[in-house]
Amino acid sequence: GNSVTQMEGPVTLSEEAFLTINCTYTATGYPSLFWYVQYPGEGLQLLLKATKADDKGSNKGFEATYRKETTSFHLEKGSVQVSDSAVYFCALLTSYDKVIFGPGTSLSVIP
Amino acid sequence: GAVVSQHPSRVICKSGTSVKIECRSLDFQATTMFWYRQFPKQSLMLMATSNEGSKATYEQGVEKDKFLINHASLTLSTLTVTSAHPEDSSFYICSAPDRDSNQPQHFGDGTRLSIL
Repeated sequence: GNSVTQMEGPVTLSEEAFLTINCTYTATGYPSLFWYVQYPGEGLQLLLKATKADDKGSNKGFEATYRKETTSFHLEKGSVQVSDSAVYFCALLTSYDKVIFGPGTSLSVIP
Repeated sequence: GAVVSQHPSRVICKSGTSVKIECRSLDFQATTMFWYRQFPKQSLMLMATSNEGSKATYEQGVEKDKFLINHASLTLSTLTVTSAHPEDSSFYICSAPDRDSNQPQHFGDGTRLSIL
């Protein structure tokens, strides 16, 4: 079946540190992949996406590359800010329009 | 602006009450909508797929009689938590796919349900 695995959190970083959140998936075929962000007390926001192998999604300084050979979609940011503190969800879209979410990784950025 | 409207955003009620949550697609039609549940500090778990004009499809382990879903029109799906108990307290989120959008689905802002 379809599933998404993420690195366990919580992750605590100092401002301007480099961020990596690992994500791997299991799926039939080649699904579209996404990163969503959820700020405290809020709903989900789409952060970035990639629809085919070797695509790189990017937004607000965050990047992730669709790696078919390793079935991965790791999220990176070169210099995090306090405002990036949130929970990040890796997700895939199935052929039935269902979005399958990873467990989420909580990020706290301290000044 | 929001393309999926979810209402109410927060509900606090007594045990035994039934609670209805609405999910509306704005500016587009949705023959399918999805309902998720999120426990504190956990991921979103798909509960069911709401199908316009037919029965909802529930994920394994989700009680159909507890979580009633109705998709009466192409823009509205409702989730009713029947005879709610404290263990039903959670964050419920709906979503709707929009093939004309660059996003796979549009998510509502969620409903925080607290059962006393």
